[in-house]
Amino acid sequence: QTVVTQESSFSVSPGGTVTLTCGLRSGSVSTSYYPSWYQQTPGQTPRTLIYNTNSRASGVPDRFSGSIVGNKAALTITGAQADDESDYYCVFYLGSGISVFGSGTKVTVL
Amino acid sequence: DVRLVESGGGLVQPGGSLRLSCAASGFSFSSYWMHWVRQVPGKGLVWVSRINVDGSDTYYADSVRGRFAVSRDNAKKTLFLQLNSLRAEDTALYFCAKEGDWNDLDAWGQGTLVTVSS
Repeated sequence: QTVVTQESSFSVSPGGTVTLTCGLRSGSVSTSYYPSWYQQTPGQTPRTLIYNTNSRASGVPDRFSGSIVGNKAALTITGAQADDESDYYCVFYLGSGISVFGSGTKVTVL
Repeated sequence: DVRLVESGGGLVQPGGSLRLSCAASGFSFSSYWMHWVRQVPGKGLVWVSRINVDGSDTYYADSVRGRFAVSRDNAKKTLFLQLNSLRAEDTALYFCAKEGDWNDLDAWGQGTLVTVSS
């Protein structure tokens, strides 16, 4: 069973920068996994932020960016704002029709 | 605007069955792959299933394969998830989601809650 790893939590100061990562317990992440990122605040529906590694979804502020860093997918928030305080999930497409979510990272802005 | 509305959730006993529906509007439903994702309240998102545009190919997470079945009615613009042999650990909020052009999930419904308990 493929396990996707994310940091459990991060804290960032308003205006600061934070990079969340998404890796595989065994193996390296590449663009062929089509990494995507989703933001979810408690009680709300997930919102798509990034697709295909580094493409921003419609309406997503440019302070959110996606990339591959080392052997992991990464989501960077540059100039964090209070309403960025949310849970963030990555998804990899493993091929053969199967996708898998990471365990999620809780971001606190304070 | 794209709209996805799930229904069919409820309380069911262990071993029971339930059929979830997801009514789609605002896009050409028959042209897009669709997904089901679930979330135990307070926990993370978990991918459940995917179906291709005409329903001929279906895919499942290991945890539900053989018990759940995804299908679609393109004429009625509706996605379904048949849940059989339900277990307590299947208790979750079930979301349907539309697939984008890059194996991403670009639109989500509000979810329907399934509770498996005696």
